[in-house]
Amino acid sequence: DQQVKQNSPSLSVQEGRISILNCDYTNSMFDYFLWYKKYPAEGPTFLISISSIKDKNEDGRFTVFLNKSAKHLSLHIVPSQPGDSAVYFCAAERNNDMRFGAGTRLTVKP
Amino acid sequence: DAGITQSPRHKVTETGTPVTLRCHQTENHRYMYWYRQDPGHGLRLIHYSYGVKDTDKGEVSDGYSVSRSKTEDFLLTLESATSSQTSVYFCAIKETGGTYNEQFFGPGTRLTVL
Repeated sequence: DQQVKQNSPSLSVQEGRISILNCDYTNSMFDYFLWYKKYPAEGPTFLISISSIKDKNEDGRFTVFLNKSAKHLSLHIVPSQPGDSAVYFCAAERNNDMRFGAGTRLTVKP
Repeated sequence: DAGITQSPRHKVTETGTPVTLRCHQTENHRYMYWYRQDPGHGLRLIHYSYGVKDTDKGEVSDGYSVSRSKTEDFLLTLESATSSQTSVYFCAIKETGGTYNEQFFGPGTRLTVL
C-alpha cells in the first residue's frame, strides 16, 4: 500500500533551467509534507516542508506547492545547479507515521 | 548537523544470526526513528520512540525489535536475520518546538545478510 508515489524515477534538466519534481499521495489525513535530498552513501537531508493548511512555501531557490484537492505535491528548483543532482524523496506525515515516495533522481547538466 | 551517529556503518552477517544496530544522538531529542531503504520503496518506517522505554511500531516492524533505555541511544535488533532484511538502515531524530517538525537522518548502516 504505497500511499506516497513519485511516478518519475528520473529527471534531467539543463543548468539554469527549472526542475519540477512531482509527488502524489492517497491519504487525505496527512497533515505535513516534506522534501528530502539524498546523495549516495549519505542519509537524506531535509530540504523544505509545507503544512497541509498552506498551498505554497518558498525557501531560496526551492518552492513547494501543495494541491490538496488533487492530492499532489511538487518541488520547483530554480535556477537548477549541477550540485542539485541527487535523489529527491517526497514524504507525508501524520502522527509520527511518515511515508516516503520511491524517489526521483535529478540530473542537472552543465 | 543534528549530532546523529550510527554504528556499525557496514555489516555482513549470516542468516539466522542476531544483529543489533545502534543510533546515538547528542542533542537530547525526544523522538527517534528507524527506517530501512530499499530500491523502489523509498524509506519505510520500522519502529519509532517517543521517549525512554516508549516505542511504537511502524509500517514494516515484523522481524525487528527496538529498545531505548537512555535518551541518547535507540537500538534496532534483528533477532534472527534473514536475507530479506538486507537493506540500508537509517536512524532519524525529530526536532520539535519550531515551526516545522522535520526529521533529521543519520548516515546509515548498510547491512548484508548472506
